[in-house]
Amino acid sequence: EIVMTQSPLSLSVTPGQPASISCKSTQSLLQSDGETYLYWYLQKPGQSPQLLIHEVANRFSGVPDRFSGSGSGTDFTLKISRVEAEDVGVYYCMQSKELPWTFGQGTKVEIK
Amino acid sequence: EVQLVESGGGLVQPGRSLRLSCVASGFAFQDHGMHWVRQTPGKGLEWVAGISAKSDYAAYADSVKGRFTISRDNARNSLYLQMNGLRVEDMALYFCVNGRDWGRGTLVTVSS
Repeated sequence: EIVMTQSPLSLSVTPGQPASISCKSTQSLLQSDGETYLYWYLQKPGQSPQLLIHEVANRFSGVPDRFSGSGSGTDFTLKISRVEAEDVGVYYCMQSKELPWTFGQGTKVEIK
Repeated sequence: EVQLVESGGGLVQPGRSLRLSCVASGFAFQDHGMHWVRQTPGKGLEWVAGISAKSDYAAYADSVKGRFTISRDNARNSLYLQMNGLRVEDMALYFCVNGRDWGRGTLVTVSS
């Protein structure tokens, strides 16, 4: 199975400052259809995960433009240009290129 | 608005069975593959099983293969997970997922 590795596992950020999370996969997530099946989710405290980014760089409906995704192949990054208090929670990357879907360990983001 | 509402969780003894249900609304359920994903504090997010839109394909994590069965009823906009031979390590919060949207989850506790 494809193993997803995130770093860092925790992040403490001053409001208004940027934040960046890395996600690496053990195999390329580029599918034969040309799409790269890498997703980013945020799980806020007490809630279920919510989709932020799909297919590497596409913001889901309603997601603020301070969130951006980039990368290709096996290396991916989620960036928050200016962290706000509502961004606290655990961020997960996930691949759906092949079954089983696999997730990163999660990156806990807190506000300083 | 998309809604995925899980039910059927509870406390069960090791070796017993439980059937989880998920009722979907707000999207064309019959056109989407559906999945169960579970979450534990120790193992994070783990994909459990998935089923194609027309039920012609199902897949399982190795950890549940032969014990769990995923099914769906498109006429009822419903997804199911029959869990037999439950083990302590199956204890988790189980989410119904369509890839972009997640339910709130239903908690399965396995204990004697």
